[in-house]
Amino acid sequence: GAGVSQSPSNKVTEKGKDVELRCDPISGHTALYWYRQSLGQGLEFLIYFQGNSAPDKSGLPSDRFSAERTGGSVSTLTIQRTQQEDSAVYLCACAGGELFFGEGSRLTVL
Amino acid sequence: SQKIEQNSEALNIQEGKTATLTCNYTNYSPAYLQWYRQDPGRGPVFLLLIRENEKEKRKERLKVTFDTTLKQSLFHITASQPADSATYLCALGGAGNNRKLIWGLGTSLAVNP
Repeated sequence: GAGVSQSPSNKVTEKGKDVELRCDPISGHTALYWYRQSLGQGLEFLIYFQGNSAPDKSGLPSDRFSAERTGGSVSTLTIQRTQQEDSAVYLCACAGGELFFGEGSRLTVL
Repeated sequence: SQKIEQNSEALNIQEGKTATLTCNYTNYSPAYLQWYRQDPGRGPVFLLLIRENEKEKRKERLKVTFDTTLKQSLFHITASQPADSATYLCALGGAGNNRKLIWGLGTSLAVNP
């Protein structure tokens, strides 16, 4: 596609539920990142995929967070047993030098 | 620890004036610095990248300076327009490694007509 596509754009869930956030990057961009942006906080790196290499998961805040990237394209970020502190905007970006961001998925955990 | 600071207060300027935003950092020697624009409810959009061996970079009405001695970057928008109103983020990067980008909190700019 022309840009990075994320879905859903908004997600409201109850504490304890699992959520899946999807990212469809720009075709041909092999590097993909997930970031989290909370009010009053800078962008927080979560995970990085590059081609067939093992992903860099060093930014995942807990083992409730996981991400996959299938076929080197679409990526899914999964948050299990959501907590209220998980509420944030989750941004996906792919890299062609600079970062190209999607519009984000706003997650609200009640 | 590594720290990056941008103007914490929102910047309000009159249309046509030059906006200057500041990005200061400590305890870090970046290989490059990037500036992004973010509108409410949208993802950041890349504007400019400047490398450690560059003093200044320009793109249309935008100008970025990078002083590695002062550990500071200045971002200028000349002939500002209301459409320039947004939050501007700076990010520091190490050599060849975008995953290590360190992000500022951003500065909100409002250009008044």
